[in-house]
Amino acid sequence: AQSVTQLDSQVPVFEEAPVELRCNYSSSVSVYLFWYVQYPNQGLQLLLKYLSGSTLVKGINGFEAEFNKSQTSFHLRKPSVHISDTAEYFCAGADSGGYQKVTFGTGTKLQVIP
Amino acid sequence: DAGITQSPRHKVTETGTPVTLRCHQTENHRYMYWYRQDPGHGLRLIHYSYGVKDTDKGEVSDGYSVSRSKTEDFLLTLESATSSQTSVYFCASSYGQGEEKLFFGSGTQLSVL
Repeated sequence: AQSVTQLDSQVPVFEEAPVELRCNYSSSVSVYLFWYVQYPNQGLQLLLKYLSGSTLVKGINGFEAEFNKSQTSFHLRKPSVHISDTAEYFCAGADSGGYQKVTFGTGTKLQVIP
Repeated sequence: DAGITQSPRHKVTETGTPVTLRCHQTENHRYMYWYRQDPGHGLRLIHYSYGVKDTDKGEVSDGYSVSRSKTEDFLLTLESATSSQTSVYFCASSYGQGEEKLFFGSGTQLSVL
């Protein structure tokens, strides 16, 4: 079964600085990978997803992620963060075979410092 | 975006009482899910449904049951609430499985005293 690991529980970063949120996955089969964002007191919303094809995936709000099969990683990046990016970010994955339940990581809280 | 509403938004209850949380979606999604969110654990799947009256267990299903009598409604019942079930509960739905985007409700904050 698919599992995902988010290595950082909190990431502080200054406004307009770049940020990388790390995610590693483990699976013996092909995978689908996602990043979701949760703003305070709200549900999760999809930032981007990787199904197949190009390893660089662009999402909403200027975020992008790169699928790296050799390192089993799917790190999320943004070249310049804004205060409004302060939120919790979840990496998620699903096996492409069998019943494809989505498994979430434990989340990374991004704190953008003015 | 998909219309998914959860009710109630907040609930406080006592240990040993039954509790039912409701999820309603207006997008005719086939798949629906209940997750709980706890610090340090992220979101964990409780139960899911792949059609009317078709449900299955997730990774943390003990103490919970679900029912889906209509496409648009998915109920989560805590049969006898315990303090360990204090959590934020999220409902989600999707057109399909796996590769499909999940649409989330706004959550229910449940406190079991």
